Amino acid sequence: AQSVTQLDSHVSVSEGTPVLLRCNYSSSYSPSLFWYVQHPNKGLQLLLKYTSAATLVKGINGFEAEFKKSETSFHLTKPSAHMSDAAEYFCVVRGVYNDMRFGAGTRLTVKP
Amino acid sequence: DSGVTQTPKHLITATGQRVTLRCSPRSGDLSVYWYQQSLDQGLQFLIQYYNGEERAKGNILERFSAQQFPDLHSELNLSSLELGDSALYFCASSVGDGPNTEAFFGQGTRLTVV
Repeated sequence: AQSVTQLDSHVSVSEGTPVLLRCNYSSSYSPSLFWYVQHPNKGLQLLLKYTSAATLVKGINGFEAEFKKSETSFHLTKPSAHMSDAAEYFCVVRGVYNDMRFGAGTRLTVKP
Repeated sequence: DSGVTQTPKHLITATGQRVTLRCSPRSGDLSVYWYQQSLDQGLQFLIQYYNGEERAKGNILERFSAQQFPDLHSELNLSSLELGDSALYFCASSVGDGPNTEAFFGQGTRLTVV
C-alpha cells in the first residue's frame, strides 16, 4: 500500500538558514507525491508535486523537492528560511485508488 | 484563495445531534474529497466522489455519510455526534481523479461537539 513517513515531527531553524523536511515513501509502483503547507488556522496549500516528469521539482515560495527512487525519499528543501515559512508541512502520496494519503506532518519553526 | 468553498466555517453542536457540512468545489472540478483533521489522528481521508459517484472510501464511520450532487457540490453528514468527532473537516477538489492531479483544499469547517 502507498504511504509516506515524515521523519521529523518538528524542525527548528534560524531565519536565513536552509530548511530540510524529510519524507520517505512506500509505493508498489511509481508514485505521485506532493508537499502541502498549512499555516495556523488556514487550509492546506499545494507547494509542489512530483509526477515522474523530473526528479527535481520546484514549487512556490522558493521550495523544491528531489525524488530519489533509490532512497524512496522526497525531501523538501529551501535555501534560506523566512519567518513566514513557519507552518505545518505535509508530505502526501496518491493511494492505489488515487486517494491522497497524508504523512503525520512536520511543524517548522523559524527563529529570528 | 483556493476556489473551494466550505460552509459553515464553525459549528458548535451537542452530542447526539446531526450536522451537515457543505462543500463547493472549484469551477470545473469533478472530484471532491473529504478529510478529517484532529490532533490525535492527523489528517484522515474519509471519502471521495467523482462526478456524482463514490470513488474511494477511507476511514469514514458508519455514522457519517456523504454525497455529491448533480451541480457537483458535496455534503458530509455527521450523525449521532460524539465528543471525539470534534475536528477540522476539510473538503478538497480536483479536475479529475488520476494519479497526477493535485487537489485544492478549502479553509475547513471546525466542528465542536459539546
